[in-house]
Amino acid sequence: DGGITQSPKYLFRKEGQNVTLSCEQNLNHDAMYWYRQDPGQGLRLIYYSQIVNDFQKGDIAEGYSVSREKKESFPLTVTSAQKNPTAFYLCASSSLGTTRSYNEQFFGPGTRLTVL
Amino acid sequence: QQQVKQSPQSLIVQKGGISIINCAYENTAFDYFPWYQQFPGKGPALLIAIRPDVSEKKEGRFTISFNKSAKQFSLHIMDSQPGDSATYFCAAYPMNRDDKIIFGKGTRLHILP
Repeated sequence: DGGITQSPKYLFRKEGQNVTLSCEQNLNHDAMYWYRQDPGQGLRLIYYSQIVNDFQKGDIAEGYSVSREKKESFPLTVTSAQKNPTAFYLCASSSLGTTRSYNEQFFGPGTRLTVL
Repeated sequence: QQQVKQSPQSLIVQKGGISIINCAYENTAFDYFPWYQQFPGKGPALLIAIRPDVSEKKEGRFTISFNKSAKQFSLHIMDSQPGDSATYFCAAYPMNRDDKIIFGKGTRLHILP
């Protein structure tokens, strides 16, 4: 999975709880991303970060929060404000070089979150 | 919002047959077109990619055909095998690196043994 680890693989959450999904990469990539995947919906961007201590909202950021304190780590918190959090969450990373082929996104193995 | 339209949503092919998945994009602000392969419970992995200055790229049994004027590109899997059964996503990378990558919604491919 390209040097990107996500944990846990499966996560169960009770309604009203916040949970944090871990994403770590050892590829020395500057950019990191969080996607949500639902059946038939493809990949939807939640948040992304191109530099430490900076991040931007994606298309579906409501109910989620992130931090980027280290280049290698980009944890995602699913808050109780997220009304339908059950989904497969994918973390990705990429370099920010000038040649497009070096900007390819590499994905982690994913975390499946289920709300009980 | 920029879109990449992928079809079909699902596809069943006999072993040994050719699997074809199509994608179409809406404007010319993209300069890199990869295909990703995703097995159940796993993250997507880059399969093959093409730049718009070539019309075809082949890697083993996998070929991308690119039609710049029609703004379409397709993935062909020759001699399809049961191990190819997976979900396939096309994507378009923007020339403006501050813009986000656009993904198709995926095609679930099943190869009959």
